[in-house]
Amino acid sequence: DGGITQSPKYLFRKEGQNVTLSCEQNLNHDAMYWYRQDPGQGLRLIYYSQIVNDFQKGDIAEGYSVSREKKESFPLTVTSAQKNPTAFYLCASKGAWYEGSYDEQFFGPGTRLTVL
Amino acid sequence: AQKITQTQPGMFVQEKEAVTLDCTYDTSDQSYGLFWYKQPSSGEMIFLIYQGSYDEQNATEGRYSLNFQKARKSANLVISASQLGDSAMYFCAMREVVRTSYDKVIFGPGTSLSVIP
Repeated sequence: DGGITQSPKYLFRKEGQNVTLSCEQNLNHDAMYWYRQDPGQGLRLIYYSQIVNDFQKGDIAEGYSVSREKKESFPLTVTSAQKNPTAFYLCASKGAWYEGSYDEQFFGPGTRLTVL
Repeated sequence: AQKITQTQPGMFVQEKEAVTLDCTYDTSDQSYGLFWYKQPSSGEMIFLIYQGSYDEQNATEGRYSLNFQKARKSANLVISASQLGDSAMYFCAMREVVRTSYDKVIFGPGTSLSVIP
């Protein structure tokens, strides 16, 4: 079955520690995205990538880093510089858009990060 | 900056009635796409419907339809015959081209819909 996997589902970390969230897709999608969601809020874009070895900052990239060494994988590192990292993190991927198509994002199940 | 606005933080609807969830957007692009997603309490994101900026007809998918008014920059979601399982958060989103072959998708703050038996 094709889809997106995120691990772990729940993650706890101590203040001051870096932590890496995994995101893997087998949909052969070029584009991948990371979003942050706070309780009762919408999704805010952290980073996105269209091709291997290239990625762009979203609206709230400070305190986060990513890599895109393989098409299937787009891990997100939450660094100690992120002031308030407790949130729900969603990874998404989508295929290429072309005139006449629609290209919805496919989302993983998310990772709930709690900083103790 | 591009932006999505959803002015209804919470909505209630009687079961079997229709409900409209509002979405307005701001973009200077001529080519863009608009999406609606549903997020139940489990947290998963479920794609509902899509409208392209050049599509002349409003999109429909089963009980979902999108009331697209391009001049007003609005893309309201209409859910007909509401069911208890429709209770969830609903997000409006927009795809915009950043540069050739590179686009991003931004989301609105969401509307919480509660269906009353």
